[in-house]
Amino acid sequence: GGIITQTPKFLIGQEGQKLTLKCQQNFNHDTMYWYRQDSGKGLRLIYYSITENDLQKGDLSEGYDASREKKSSFSLTVTSAQKNEMAVFLCASSISGTGDTQYFGPGTRLLVL
Amino acid sequence: QQKVQQSPESLTVSEGAMASLNCTFSDGTSNNFRWYRQHSAKGLEVLVSIFSDGEKEEGRFTAHLNRANLHVSLHIREPQPSDSAVYLCAVVNYNQGKLIFGQGTKLSIKP
Repeated sequence: GGIITQTPKFLIGQEGQKLTLKCQQNFNHDTMYWYRQDSGKGLRLIYYSITENDLQKGDLSEGYDASREKKSSFSLTVTSAQKNEMAVFLCASSISGTGDTQYFGPGTRLLVL
Repeated sequence: QQKVQQSPESLTVSEGAMASLNCTFSDGTSNNFRWYRQHSAKGLEVLVSIFSDGEKEEGRFTAHLNRANLHVSLHIREPQPSDSAVYLCAVVNYNQGKLIFGQGTKLSIKP
């Protein structure tokens, strides 16, 4: 088995601040994903990456940047945090593409004051 | 564009009674459906994946898919308080190249 680690677990930021979330996986999976989860809503895809140095936009990419530095890690940057924003950011990985089971990390909880 | 809706929003069931959760989707061409469970402050755990009409059982969890009715359900046999969590239905949309999630059902199991 493998594990997905997300850091930090909690992130408190100020309005306008640039914030970076990190994700590591040791499954040796090719594809990694970043989702945003708001209360009462399903997960929405922000960015995904099918291999090292690849980036694909999801439905919610505006306001975010991502970076796949190496196969095992995928970072997400909130380019300018919005006041009163509160959400959970979930990282996932899968062996390869869309049809494969995605395995999720525990999430990073963001609060912007 | 595939839309996924779950019902009910929340559900309370007594320990040992069957719990049934529903999910409807708008595009019946997909053949890849998943149920995930999310405990508070934890990531998503995949429970059942189902790829054809009919039933798929994984331990106490059974998924039932009927693509003609655009419906997939999850039944939890003999639920325990530790099964209290948010349950998420997800549909693979190959045209869009992604997994589409429902908004979740919050399940509470009363001892």
